[in-house]
Amino acid sequence: DTGVSQDPRHKITKRGQNVTFRCDPISEHNRLYWYRQTLGQGPEFLTYFQNEAQLEKSRLLSDRFSAERPKGSFSTLEIQRTEQGDSAMYLCASSWSQTGNTIYFGEGSWLTVV
Amino acid sequence: GESVGLHLPTLSVQEGDNSIINCAYSNSASDYFIWYKQESGKGPQFIIDIRSNMDKRQGQRVTVLLNKTVKHLSLQIAATQPGDSAVYFCAERGNTDKLIFGTGTRLQVFP
Repeated sequence: DTGVSQDPRHKITKRGQNVTFRCDPISEHNRLYWYRQTLGQGPEFLTYFQNEAQLEKSRLLSDRFSAERPKGSFSTLEIQRTEQGDSAMYLCASSWSQTGNTIYFGEGSWLTVV
Repeated sequence: GESVGLHLPTLSVQEGDNSIINCAYSNSASDYFIWYKQESGKGPQFIIDIRSNMDKRQGQRVTVLLNKTVKHLSLQIAATQPGDSAVYFCAERGNTDKLIFGTGTRLQVFP
């Protein structure tokens, strides 16, 4: 499988717990993006990396959220002290940095905070 | 999986007819646009893209039209099939390299 891979696909957690999602981009893609999607909405940008550098963060990314891409390959998105409002699908995408190159999405990680 | 887009604008078409899905974008500086298809419980799937120096691009059964004057994008699907039923999003890339997504349109295909 050469697509964007996300794990876990589904996570149910109690409010206040920490969760971590992992994304493996398409190999050789140097850009990696995180988006969040809630019911009835389009995906909303959270952050993106070029190689290991985090180039932009959305205001949606509160202090409880942290993303890393330590070796420029896979990335993790951690949410600390989860709240019910964090329930959403977290999407990862990747691309090659040349202008106009397509951004490909993974299947997403569903988070339900109870 | 859970449904995406419970309260989205909906386009209902008969199998075999052509579908046209419209999208208005916001940033006149956007230079790249993509259409994605999203089925229930899945991530967005790339359909077709277009750069701002073009006004039309064709793929297999799909055509994207770009009107920069009125900041309008459309996706035409020829001979719509039941498998085309999904939510369709347009996305624009502006000054930075992130995509900004539109609201989405649900396409329902009936026999």
